[in-house]
Amino acid sequence: DQQVKQNSPSLSVQEGRISILNCDYTNSMFDYFLWYKKYPAEGPTFLISISSIKDKNEDGRFTVFLNKSAKHLSLHIVPSQPGDSAVYFCAAPLGNEKLTFGTGTRLTIIP
Amino acid sequence: DTEVTQTPKHLVMGMTNKKSLKCEQHMGHRAMYWYKQKAKKPPELMFVYSYEKLSINESVPSRFSPECPNSSLLNLHLHALQPEDSALYLCASSPLAGRSTDTQYFGPGTRLTVL
Repeated sequence: DQQVKQNSPSLSVQEGRISILNCDYTNSMFDYFLWYKKYPAEGPTFLISISSIKDKNEDGRFTVFLNKSAKHLSLHIVPSQPGDSAVYFCAAPLGNEKLTFGTGTRLTIIP
Repeated sequence: DTEVTQTPKHLVMGMTNKKSLKCEQHMGHRAMYWYKQKAKKPPELMFVYSYEKLSINESVPSRFSPECPNSSLLNLHLHALQPEDSALYLCASSPLAGRSTDTQYFGPGTRLTVL
């Protein structure tokens, strides 16, 4: 049962434009969410997180929005840069130590 | 030191071999994790060590045997693997065990191929 879902396996965005990556979840007990970025043959790198007591968290070019009623979160990257091309995973802790990941979205930034 | 290191980067082994993967962190983190990632899939949790004790085993076959000799080191011993075990094996650590809001930091992974 996939409790964290990323329905877009891939996304292409022009350099300089906004990239919006989406994530839906089914478990209303989730109270914390993370976004990871992964380059090929490397481990995931932590990008940004958000607690359920907030609806927005911003860090430089990256902003995560949380809509608890819709059980939906999104990651906005603006402006998009070629180095942002990677696979992005949203994740949520299930229990105290188990992190459940979405299936990932491959973002390609077109120069 | 703010990174998780893993050795080797690549490993090719036969089904009768015994090998080990090594993971190290010097951030003082008290929780360490092994994940397995197949191509185009998300990482799947295998094991969690909290304060050097095994706290989660996600029904992993016994041909995978984890070991945590000390708070900085995590090993994964491999024996009699199958070709379908070929994958990227990721190690991660987080500051405190048992706190769901702690960020997990990942190593670069070991690319394992079983022939």
